[in-house]
Amino acid sequence: SQTIHQWPATLVQPVGSPLSLECTVEGTSNPNLYWYRQAAGRGLQLLFYSVGIGQISSEVPQNLSASRPQDRQFILSSKKLLLSDSGFYLCAWRIPGYPDQFFGPGTRLTVL
Amino acid sequence: AQTVTQSQPEMSVQEAETVTLSCTYDTSESDYYLFWYKQPPSRQMILVIRQEAYKQQNATENRFSVNFQKAAKSFSLKISDSQLGDAAMYFCALGGYNNNDMRFGAGTRLTVKP
Repeated sequence: SQTIHQWPATLVQPVGSPLSLECTVEGTSNPNLYWYRQAAGRGLQLLFYSVGIGQISSEVPQNLSASRPQDRQFILSSKKLLLSDSGFYLCAWRIPGYPDQFFGPGTRLTVL
Repeated sequence: AQTVTQSQPEMSVQEAETVTLSCTYDTSESDYYLFWYKQPPSRQMILVIRQEAYKQQNATENRFSVNFQKAAKSFSLKISDSQLGDAAMYFCALGGYNNNDMRFGAGTRLTVKP
């Protein structure tokens, strides 16, 4: 069966520091991968998605970037965090050709 | 542009009773999918039910069913025989044919009273 991992689970970072959040999927090949952000009390906002290694589509221009160095690895990065980057970050995967997206446990990021 | 609106920030239901959560959406696409996700206190998003726009029959998954009104662009979730474990945030979501662009509503917080 397929599983999705995210780490770290919780992160507290100062303003201006770099960021790297990692997401990995097991049990499937060539998945579509997604990064979402959820602000407090809000719905999810799609940040990036990837349909293959090195292929990244950005939905919202911002302080963040994404990379997919391996088939089942998706990384969310920032060179300098802003206070507004605080939130809950969720990674999701989908089998191409099927509609359902499945989510990881998320990372709670607090920027101070 | 695709938009999803959930007009009920909070709902409550008595245990064993039935509750309906509302969702309206807007899209210019003819082929699309609608979803309901549950987010319990752990915050992991759990897929509850999916409806394909081309299907007239309403989707059902055990105690969960939807009322899909395509012309009205309405997609409500009915939870029957509510259980304490159903307490969570519920999000309505809309995805295009390739579903690389899923859009979420703001969510409805469901409380289940014993």
